[in-house]
Amino acid sequence: AQTVTQSQPEMSVQEAETVTLSCTYDTSENNYYLFWYKQPPSRQMILVIRQEAYKQQNATENRFSVNFQKAAKSFSLKISDSQLGDTAMYFCASNFGNEKLTFGTGTRLTIIP
Amino acid sequence: NAGVMQNPRHLVRRRGQEARLRCSPMKGHSHVYWYRQLPEEGLKFMVYLQKENIIDESGMPKERFSAEFPKEGPSILRIQQVVRGDSAAYFCASSPQGGGWLNTEAFFGQGTRLTVV
Repeated sequence: AQTVTQSQPEMSVQEAETVTLSCTYDTSENNYYLFWYKQPPSRQMILVIRQEAYKQQNATENRFSVNFQKAAKSFSLKISDSQLGDTAMYFCASNFGNEKLTFGTGTRLTIIP
Repeated sequence: NAGVMQNPRHLVRRRGQEARLRCSPMKGHSHVYWYRQLPEEGLKFMVYLQKENIIDESGMPKERFSAEFPKEGPSILRIQQVVRGDSAAYFCASSPQGGGWLNTEAFFGQGTRLTVV
């Protein structure tokens, strides 16, 4: 079965600190994409960052970066210099090589002023 | 260029009624995906459609649920004889071509929250 697991239901961190959200997955596919989505209270799903499994280099987008460990099937998200606007649900997801995304159950992140 | 538009944003139905959820894809997008988000859970794939075609409906419940994406007009997700367990947020996403998740050209709408009372 192809699954995405987020083992941290909730996390909180002081503003300006760094936080890392964990994600593991299981698949027998070799070519796939991994994603982190942010869902603020408005419910909008916002793509934060994506990683192509065949690329060894970790993706970065400004304050957001990933630690992709393909052999370990791990895909964690690091948020540096956290801001109040980062407060949201964060979902890890993968397409596992096909057209549909499989999501984890999410991590509720709270940035404390 | 307006984003993916879903309406209504909130929908309340009594048990046994029908719910119709609409999704207007971004201009130039001919592929639509529907997902359901139960409370405190991630999104789960329901169906993938192109104009006038259902490509993959492997996530759709076998009964009461149907989806269409006509040549003209929005995509419709229809739920007949709703039950309390259908209460959820329903999201659609659109892309200009297949493989939307591979090229970051797939975008989500803001969702419709369905409440069955």
